[in-house]
Amino acid sequence: DAGVTQSPTHLIKTRGQQVTLRCSPKSGHDTVSWYQQALGQGPQFIFQYYEEEERQRGNFPDRFSGHQFPNYSSELNVNALLLGDSALYLCASSFGRSYNSPLHFGNGTRLTVT
Amino acid sequence: QKEVEQDPGPLSVPEGAIVSLNCTYSNSAFQYFMWYRQYSRKGPELLMYTYSSGNKEDGRFTAQVDKSSKYISLFIRDSQPSDSATYLCAMKGAGSYQLTFGKGTKLSVIP
Repeated sequence: DAGVTQSPTHLIKTRGQQVTLRCSPKSGHDTVSWYQQALGQGPQFIFQYYEEEERQRGNFPDRFSGHQFPNYSSELNVNALLLGDSALYLCASSFGRSYNSPLHFGNGTRLTVT
Repeated sequence: QKEVEQDPGPLSVPEGAIVSLNCTYSNSAFQYFMWYRQYSRKGPELLMYTYSSGNKEDGRFTAQVDKSSKYISLFIRDSQPSDSATYLCAMKGAGSYQLTFGKGTKLSVIP
Protein backbone atom coordinates (compact mmCIF):
# COMPACT_ATOMS: atom_id res chain seq x y z
CA ASP A 1 0.00 0.00 0.00
CA ALA A 2 1.74 3.13 -1.25
CA GLY A 3 1.92 5.94 1.25
CA VAL A 4 2.14 9.65 0.42
CA THR A 5 4.83 10.28 -2.17
CA GLN A 6 6.44 13.64 -2.88
CA SER A 7 8.81 14.80 -5.60
CA PRO A 8 11.46 15.97 -5.86
CA THR A 9 13.12 15.18 -2.53
CA HIS A 10 15.54 18.10 -2.76
CA LEU A 11 15.56 21.30 -4.78
CA ILE A 12 17.82 24.34 -5.00
CA LYS A 13 16.45 27.56 -6.50
CA THR A 14 17.54 31.19 -6.79
CA ARG A 15 15.66 34.17 -5.35
CA GLY A 16 12.93 35.36 -7.69
CA GLN A 17 12.47 32.01 -9.41
CA GLN A 18 9.34 29.87 -9.37
CA VAL A 19 9.05 26.28 -8.11
CA THR A 20 6.52 23.44 -8.42
CA LEU A 21 6.34 20.60 -5.90
CA ARG A 22 4.30 17.44 -6.46
CA CYS A 23 2.38 15.05 -4.22
CA SER A 24 0.53 11.79 -4.69
CA PRO A 25 -1.82 10.89 -1.83
CA LYS A 26 -2.03 7.59 0.00
CA SER A 27 -4.19 5.02 -1.75
CA GLY A 28 -7.85 5.60 -0.87
CA HIS A 29 -7.36 9.23 0.14
CA ASP A 30 -8.89 12.12 -1.79
CA THR A 31 -7.74 15.19 0.15
CA VAL A 32 -4.32 16.82 0.13
CA SER A 33 -2.93 19.39 2.58
CA TRP A 34 0.36 21.26 2.29
CA TYR A 35 2.54 22.37 5.20
CA GLN A 36 5.77 24.36 5.44
CA GLN A 37 8.30 23.33 8.11
CA ALA A 38 11.18 25.70 8.75
CA LEU A 39 14.26 24.35 10.50
CA GLY A 40 13.59 23.78 14.20
CA GLN A 41 9.90 24.66 13.88
CA GLY A 42 6.65 22.76 13.68
CA PRO A 43 4.83 22.49 10.34
CA GLN A 44 2.64 25.46 9.33
CA PHE A 45 -0.55 24.98 7.32
CA ILE A 46 -0.50 26.40 3.80
CA PHE A 47 -3.78 25.07 2.34
CA GLN A 48 -5.96 22.02 1.77
CA TYR A 49 -7.42 20.75 -1.50
CA TYR A 50 -10.57 18.65 -1.78
CA GLU A 51 -12.59 17.91 -4.91
CA GLU A 52 -10.06 19.93 -6.94
CA GLU A 53 -10.76 23.11 -4.96
CA GLU A 54 -8.93 24.94 -2.19
CA ARG A 55 -11.06 24.20 0.87
CA GLN A 56 -9.11 26.12 3.52
CA ARG A 57 -6.04 28.37 3.47
CA GLY A 58 -3.54 29.31 6.16
CA ASN A 59 -1.72 32.60 6.60
CA PHE A 60 0.45 32.46 3.48
CA PRO A 61 0.72 35.09 0.70
CA ASP A 62 -0.74 34.65 -2.77
CA ARG A 63 2.72 33.67 -4.05
CA PHE A 64 1.76 30.23 -2.75
CA SER A 65 -0.79 28.52 -4.96
CA GLY A 66 -1.88 24.99 -5.60
CA HIS A 67 -3.82 22.62 -7.72
CA GLN A 68 -5.48 19.25 -7.33
CA PHE A 69 -5.97 16.92 -10.27
CA PRO A 70 -8.86 14.48 -10.92
CA ASN A 71 -6.65 11.59 -9.72
CA TYR A 72 -6.32 13.47 -6.36
CA SER A 73 -2.63 14.27 -6.81
CA SER A 74 -1.61 17.83 -6.10
CA GLU A 75 0.95 20.51 -6.90
CA LEU A 76 2.23 23.38 -4.78
CA ASN A 77 3.56 26.38 -6.70
CA VAL A 78 5.62 29.16 -5.16
CA ASN A 79 6.38 32.29 -7.22
CA ALA A 80 8.99 35.01 -6.69
CA LEU A 81 10.97 32.89 -4.24
CA LEU A 82 12.45 34.56 -1.16
CA LEU A 83 15.31 33.33 1.01
CA GLY A 84 12.73 32.80 3.78
CA ASP A 85 10.92 30.23 1.65
CA SER A 86 13.75 27.76 2.34
CA ALA A 87 12.07 24.95 4.28
CA LEU A 88 10.79 21.39 4.20
CA TYR A 89 7.47 21.28 2.35
CA LEU A 90 5.23 18.49 3.56
CA CYS A 91 2.22 17.03 1.83
CA ALA A 92 -0.39 15.17 3.86
CA SER A 93 -3.37 13.19 2.62
CA SER A 94 -6.64 12.21 4.27
CA PHE A 95 -10.17 11.09 3.51
CA GLY A 96 -12.13 14.25 2.79
CA ARG A 97 -15.66 13.14 3.69
CA SER A 98 -14.60 12.23 7.21
CA TYR A 99 -13.98 15.44 9.13
CA ASN A 100 -11.77 13.66 11.63
CA SER A 101 -9.74 11.66 9.15
CA PRO A 102 -6.14 11.70 10.41
CA LEU A 103 -3.44 13.18 8.19
CA HIS A 104 -0.75 10.93 6.71
CA PHE A 105 2.39 12.83 5.80
CA GLY A 106 4.97 12.26 3.09
CA ASN A 107 8.68 12.72 3.70
CA GLY A 108 8.69 16.17 2.19
CA THR A 109 10.60 18.20 -0.36
CA ARG A 110 13.60 20.13 0.98
CA LEU A 111 13.69 23.51 -0.80
CA THR A 112 16.77 25.71 -0.55
CA VAL A 113 16.59 29.25 -1.94
CA THR A 114 19.95 30.96 -2.55
CA GLN B 1 1.65 34.48 22.82
CA LYS B 2 1.81 31.53 20.44
CA GLU B 3 -1.31 29.41 20.13
CA VAL B 4 0.62 26.23 21.00
CA GLU B 5 3.67 26.16 23.27
CA GLN B 6 6.02 23.19 23.39
CA ASP B 7 9.44 23.03 25.04
CA PRO B 8 11.90 22.19 22.22
CA GLY B 9 14.32 20.43 24.58
CA PRO B 10 16.54 18.64 23.80
CA LEU B 11 15.51 15.94 26.27
CA SER B 12 17.93 13.09 26.99
CA VAL B 13 16.88 10.03 29.03
CA PRO B 14 18.35 6.57 29.73
CA GLU B 15 16.82 3.53 28.09
CA GLY B 16 13.85 2.20 30.07
CA ALA B 17 12.90 5.58 31.54
CA ILE B 18 9.39 7.03 31.47
CA VAL B 19 9.26 10.09 29.23
CA SER B 20 6.81 12.95 29.68
CA LEU B 21 6.21 15.40 26.84
CA ASN B 22 3.87 18.36 27.17
CA CYS B 23 2.13 21.16 25.29
CA THR B 24 0.00 24.07 26.41
CA TYR B 25 -2.39 25.98 24.22
CA SER B 26 -4.32 29.21 24.40
CA ASN B 27 -7.12 28.71 21.85
CA SER B 28 -10.15 27.25 23.61
CA ALA B 29 -11.62 26.37 20.18
CA PHE B 30 -9.18 23.46 19.86
CA GLN B 31 -11.12 20.22 20.20
CA TYR B 32 -8.90 17.55 18.64
CA PHE B 33 -5.40 16.72 19.81
CA MET B 34 -2.66 14.70 18.17
CA TRP B 35 0.89 13.61 18.77
CA TYR B 36 3.23 13.01 15.85
CA ARG B 37 6.72 11.50 15.83
CA GLN B 38 9.24 12.78 13.29
CA TYR B 39 12.52 11.04 12.61
CA SER B 40 15.35 12.98 11.02
CA ARG B 41 14.77 13.59 7.28
CA LYS B 42 11.30 12.01 7.46
CA GLY B 43 7.73 13.28 7.57
CA PRO B 44 5.66 13.30 10.78
CA GLU B 45 4.02 9.99 11.73
CA LEU B 46 0.76 9.99 13.70
CA LEU B 47 1.08 8.35 17.13
CA MET B 48 -2.07 9.35 19.02
CA TYR B 49 -5.35 11.11 18.21
CA THR B 50 -7.70 12.18 21.00
CA TYR B 51 -10.84 14.25 21.31
CA SER B 52 -12.12 14.34 24.85
CA SER B 53 -10.37 15.15 28.08
CA GLY B 54 -8.87 12.13 29.83
CA ASN B 55 -6.40 9.41 28.94
CA LYS B 56 -5.91 7.27 25.86
CA GLU B 57 -3.46 4.38 25.86
CA ASP B 58 -1.81 2.57 22.94
CA GLY B 59 0.96 0.15 23.84
CA ARG B 60 3.78 2.04 25.54
CA PHE B 61 2.17 5.41 24.73
CA THR B 62 -0.43 7.29 26.79
CA ALA B 63 -1.95 10.60 25.71
CA GLN B 64 -3.56 12.83 28.27
CA VAL B 65 -5.78 15.86 27.60
CA ASP B 66 -6.89 18.41 30.21
CA LYS B 67 -9.09 20.92 28.40
CA SER B 68 -9.80 22.92 31.56
CA SER B 69 -6.08 23.64 31.93
CA LYS B 70 -5.41 23.71 28.16
CA TYR B 71 -2.65 21.17 28.67
CA ILE B 72 -1.84 17.94 26.85
CA SER B 73 0.77 15.31 27.57
CA LEU B 74 2.32 12.24 25.97
CA PHE B 75 3.90 9.58 28.18
CA ILE B 76 6.26 6.94 26.82
CA ARG B 77 6.89 3.93 29.07
CA ASP B 78 9.98 1.73 28.88
CA SER B 79 11.62 4.11 26.41
CA GLN B 80 13.83 2.59 23.71
CA PRO B 81 16.67 4.05 21.61
CA SER B 82 14.33 3.71 18.62
CA ASP B 83 12.07 6.31 20.30
CA SER B 84 14.75 8.94 19.67
CA ALA B 85 13.01 11.49 17.45
CA THR B 86 11.24 14.84 17.54
CA TYR B 87 7.74 14.72 19.01
CA LEU B 88 5.21 17.23 17.74
CA CYS B 89 1.90 18.04 19.36
CA ALA B 90 -0.86 19.23 17.02
CA MET B 91 -4.42 20.36 17.48
CA LYS B 92 -7.41 21.65 15.56
CA GLY B 93 -10.78 23.21 16.17
CA ALA B 94 -14.20 21.89 15.21
CA GLY B 95 -15.04 23.02 11.69
CA SER B 96 -11.39 23.58 10.76
CA TYR B 97 -9.18 21.47 8.54
CA GLN B 98 -6.00 23.19 9.75
CA LEU B 99 -3.64 21.54 12.21
CA THR B 100 -1.69 23.90 14.48
CA PHE B 101 1.59 22.36 15.60
CA GLY B 102 3.96 22.99 18.47
CA LYS B 103 7.67 23.47 17.71
CA GLY B 104 8.44 19.88 18.65
CA THR B 105 10.55 18.34 21.43
CA LYS B 106 13.72 16.52 20.42
CA LEU B 107 14.11 13.32 22.46
CA SER B 108 17.22 11.16 22.75
CA VAL B 109 17.05 7.78 24.52
CA ILE B 110 20.52 6.68 25.52
CA PRO B 111 21.27 2.91 25.58
